[in-house]
Amino acid sequence: AQSVSQHNHHVILSEAASLELGCNYSYGGTVNLFWYVQYPGQHLQLLLKYFSGDPLVKGIKGFEAEFIKSKFSFNLRKPSVQWSDTAEYFCAANTGRRALTFGSGTRLQVQP
Amino acid sequence: GAGVSQSPSNKVTEKGKDVELRCDPISGHTALYWYRQSLGQGLEFLIYFQGNSAPDKSGLPSDRFSAERTGGSVSTLTIQRTQQEDSAVYLCASSFNREGGKLFFGSGTQLSVL
Repeated sequence: AQSVSQHNHHVILSEAASLELGCNYSYGGTVNLFWYVQYPGQHLQLLLKYFSGDPLVKGIKGFEAEFIKSKFSFNLRKPSVQWSDTAEYFCAANTGRRALTFGSGTRLQVQP
Repeated sequence: GAGVSQSPSNKVTEKGKDVELRCDPISGHTALYWYRQSLGQGLEFLIYFQGNSAPDKSGLPSDRFSAERTGGSVSTLTIQRTQQEDSAVYLCASSFNREGGKLFFGSGTQLSVL
């Protein structure tokens, strides 16, 4: 069955620390990968996406993610987090135009 | 409005009652999705409408759940004979067909079954 796994459920960092959130997927064939973010009190919104091409994807607000096919991973990174990055982060995947499958989410808390 | 609109924002109901949740997608979006978000459980896919194609109902947890999309626009998610385990935030999202995966989410309906 297709699935997306996020192993970090709750991460606490100090401002300026580096961030890496793990995401692994189990899909056969060509996969599309996404990171969504939900800031407190706001809607879920797209942070970045990978369809094909360069496996290092740049998103908004200084985030990036790297697709490593051999590891079935799509980890999210940011070199220096800010208090405003406090949010819940969801990894998601699909194939073709099928509905997205989401991971269980990672709650990031950045302390000033 | 410019975004995905869901109503009601909150719904409290008694166990055994039926509820209807409404979603108005962004105008022109051909794809519409329903997800359920429970505390600590992430987003659970329920149903997906894509244009005039038959909906993907593979995520509906039981036959008490159904959804329809009228005229390719507004969608209604119906839960019959609600149970306490149905309590969750029900999220609707829409997207352009050609941008599969870039979903625009509504603010959700918080359903509480007492």
